[in-house]
Amino acid sequence: EPEVTQTPSHQVTQMGQEVILRCVPISNHLYFYWYRQILGQKVEFLVSFYNNEISEKSEIFDDQFSVERPDGSNFTLKIRSTKLEDSAMYFCASSWFRESGTDTQYFGPGTRLTVL
Amino acid sequence: GESVGLHLPTLSVQEGDNSIINCAYSNSASDYFIWYKQESGKGPQFIIDIRSNMDKRQGQRVTVLLNKTVKHLSLQIAATQPGDSAVYFCAENFWAGSYQLTFGKGTKLSVIP
Repeated sequence: EPEVTQTPSHQVTQMGQEVILRCVPISNHLYFYWYRQILGQKVEFLVSFYNNEISEKSEIFDDQFSVERPDGSNFTLKIRSTKLEDSAMYFCASSWFRESGTDTQYFGPGTRLTVL
Repeated sequence: GESVGLHLPTLSVQEGDNSIINCAYSNSASDYFIWYKQESGKGPQFIIDIRSNMDKRQGQRVTVLLNKTVKHLSLQIAATQPGDSAVYFCAENFWAGSYQLTFGKGTKLSVIP
């Protein structure tokens, strides 16, 4: 069964450093998403991406964040200058097509980001 | 702001019994609801979804009920198994207007062998 994959599984970085989290969405999906989950809290939406541009973003997704689909398979989340409060699990998700109503989002296993 | 919430943070169930996990939502514009299961160290796993034009949907051992009058969603798991132990989230979406899923905090289901 196709699945979303993410690398690395765990990323440790120093405050102020840049990190890039990588995702490979399900191959025939068109919509891509990033969510985060701070330990013990809810999963929170960050950004959605379609047709090589951001469709929607939350208040969390400030200028320190960016997303990119550099090729036909990868979808990345970059944090330019990490802060302690960026420590969280970051989940990538993808979905097939919204207008048909079959827009179920399938999630990857997540990348645990630890900022020291 | 409007949000999705859960009535019970933890639920312990005897193996073989049925489980019921509840969720309240407050955004009357939401028209799509999903239940996800999250095991420790893993990402949310899709279980079942329901659109607002339905009040019940059944899957394999799972049933989702939607009561739009009281803005309530429930997940019923039949013959609960140890492998069902996880945190269960409901999520809502106004899919015609927004791409983002709004998640509740989660209910931890523990199955007693």
